[in-house]
Amino acid sequence: DQQVKQNSPSLSVQEGRISILNCDYTNSMFDYFLWYKKYPAEGPTFLISISSIKDKNEDGRFTVFLNKSAKHLSLHIVPSQPGDSAVYFCAASVNTPLVFGKGTRLSVIA
Amino acid sequence: SQTIHQWPATLVQPVGSPLSLECTVEGTSNPNLYWYRQAAGRGLQLLFYSVGIGQISSEVPQNLSASRPQDRQFILSSKKLLLSDSGFYLCAWSVEVNQPQHFGDGTRLSIL
Repeated sequence: DQQVKQNSPSLSVQEGRISILNCDYTNSMFDYFLWYKKYPAEGPTFLISISSIKDKNEDGRFTVFLNKSAKHLSLHIVPSQPGDSAVYFCAASVNTPLVFGKGTRLSVIA
Repeated sequence: SQTIHQWPATLVQPVGSPLSLECTVEGTSNPNLYWYRQAAGRGLQLLFYSVGIGQISSEVPQNLSASRPQDRQFILSSKKLLLSDSGFYLCAWSVEVNQPQHFGDGTRLSIL
């Protein structure tokens, strides 16, 4: 049973526009959520996190939103840049090792 | 600052051969250590994690094993590789279990 789901395997966005990546989870006990970015043949890089006591966290162009009632989180990238093209993983935890989604491939088109 | 080293970057092994992948972390003490595998077109699958020397938790039963002989060293092994062991293996560390994990650059393992 997949506890963290990224239902869109891929997403294409024009440079300068907003990219919205979505993630759903099933375990209501999760209290810590993260987003990672991964380039081919490299390890994932930590981007941004949010704890369940918040509903929004910003870091520069990246904002993560958490909707606990819907068990949904999203990552907004504004403005999108070609260098943002990568696979994005969401992950969740409750005092356990992170549980990762399968990833969404973002392509930012110039 | 903390760094994580993982080697080799690529490895081609015949079916039935043994495996040893090594991961070391510098700049921190008593890290939590993790081994993941990313199969082609799949997400990150947690294989093993360790919260201390000699303490290994296995998440997925398989023909792989892990050991932590030193505080900042994590080794992934197999006595006999299967074709299904092909994939991209990633080592990671974190300060605590409920904290961001920081990944190495991975090992691309191809089984022939």
